[in-house]
Amino acid sequence: RKEVEQDPGPFNVPEGATVAFNCTYSNSASQSFFWYRQDCRKEPKLLMSVYSSGNEDGRFTAQLNRASQYISLLIRDSKLSDSATYLCVVADNYGQNFVFGPGTRLSVLP
Amino acid sequence: EPEVTQTPSHQVTQMGQEVILRCVPISNHLYFYWYRQILGQKVEFLVSFYNNEISEKSEIFDDQFSVERPDGSNFTLKIRSTKLEDSAMYFCASNRPTNEKLFFGSGTQLSVL
Repeated sequence: RKEVEQDPGPFNVPEGATVAFNCTYSNSASQSFFWYRQDCRKEPKLLMSVYSSGNEDGRFTAQLNRASQYISLLIRDSKLSDSATYLCVVADNYGQNFVFGPGTRLSVLP
Repeated sequence: EPEVTQTPSHQVTQMGQEVILRCVPISNHLYFYWYRQILGQKVEFLVSFYNNEISEKSEIFDDQFSVERPDGSNFTLKIRSTKLEDSAMYFCASNRPTNEKLFFGSGTQLSVL
């Protein structure tokens, strides 16, 4: 299975900060891209899908660069509740082979 | 919202014993998966299952592991003879075809003593 790499972290930021996570993937045939959030000892939960044109959901913005095989997640105005591990996930054309990155841990500090 | 359910939430077993982890995927989903996550490490793929057969498996999924869909709702992972290194959180997931996001269960924490 192909690999997904992420910023090693952890990221410790104050409330209200903007933080960006980076992810690269090695399988050029990948077709679906996601950011998941995982709280300690809980299941991963979908934060957002990532589309070619980039997409935004409130304070969260995701970007995809297929040529560079690079995905990013930007969180604006960080909240304490944003503290979690952020997982970059890539799937192939058939939407079956989901590969998880190692995750980047974020701690938002008061 | 429909959800994937897993039982038990915690399982403690002795090395060499067999364990069965159970999952009920979302009812209209067709693809089922098992992942595991050793404490502090990344989520690792074990196996995917479609149309009553394994569609892909990782190198972790050796002969000690098996999966089954014994009826229309349950999806199980069996570990025949557990090892200490099998201690991990095991997540079941499901999705619809194609390119659909994965829905995860809340996991079974397996501790092998």
